[in-house]
Amino acid sequence: QSALTQPASVSGSPGQSITISCTGTSSDVGGYKYVSWYQQHPGKAPKLMIYDVSNRPSGVSNRFSGSKSGNTASLTISGLQAEDEADYYCSSYTSSTTLVFGGGTKLTVL
Amino acid sequence: EVQLVESGGGLVQPGGSLRLSCAASGFTVSDYAMGWVRQAPGKGLEWVSAISGRGTSTYYADSAKGRFSISRDDSKSTLYLQVNSLRAEDTAVFYCAKSYDSSDFYLPHYFDYWGQGILVTVSS
Repeated sequence: QSALTQPASVSGSPGQSITISCTGTSSDVGGYKYVSWYQQHPGKAPKLMIYDVSNRPSGVSNRFSGSKSGNTASLTISGLQAEDEADYYCSSYTSSTTLVFGGGTKLTVL
Repeated sequence: EVQLVESGGGLVQPGGSLRLSCAASGFTVSDYAMGWVRQAPGKGLEWVSAISGRGTSTYYADSAKGRFSISRDDSKSTLYLQVNSLRAEDTAVFYCAKSYDSSDFYLPHYFDYWGQGILVTVSS
């Protein structure tokens, strides 16, 4: 199972919005509503930000939103803040009954 | 408060074995599926394995099949990962993670709480 494709890096200024894409295939992202997103600060454990494409866990800011179109899922962060600077990973259920992660995207807040 | 604390990592020679443990607290452990995810130094996340709430179903990544074995002892609120035939490319931080329900008959597709991770270094 190949990793999902994410841009290596994205950047934005405070207050702006950014979108991180996550591209897979019809056997993973495109075939199921089971895409999740995780935030990871350096040296820390991943934190769940979005599950089932667009659902936010309790306690996650509504500045974070998720969507999916075809084989590509997206994470949008609006009103960028300094603390949003982190690595972001998407994950999907696959038709092989496994989970696959994306390669990760480093978000820089300028 | 949910807490997951991994232990059992360390330096091991190629071909060696380790048993990783994850002590869970703050929730009824037997009600939830659990899993392991690893991260090689400077690299991305890689799902390794998962086990259903009652331990009836186990799931493995291709990279783990035949070498790793996941298990749980709910009486001790502990998740385990036995890792055998270790290779240099298995060097990684291994994270224990809790799923969102028991997932008795299906692979849980996300994890809502993660431990801080434990480093496994495979080197001679």
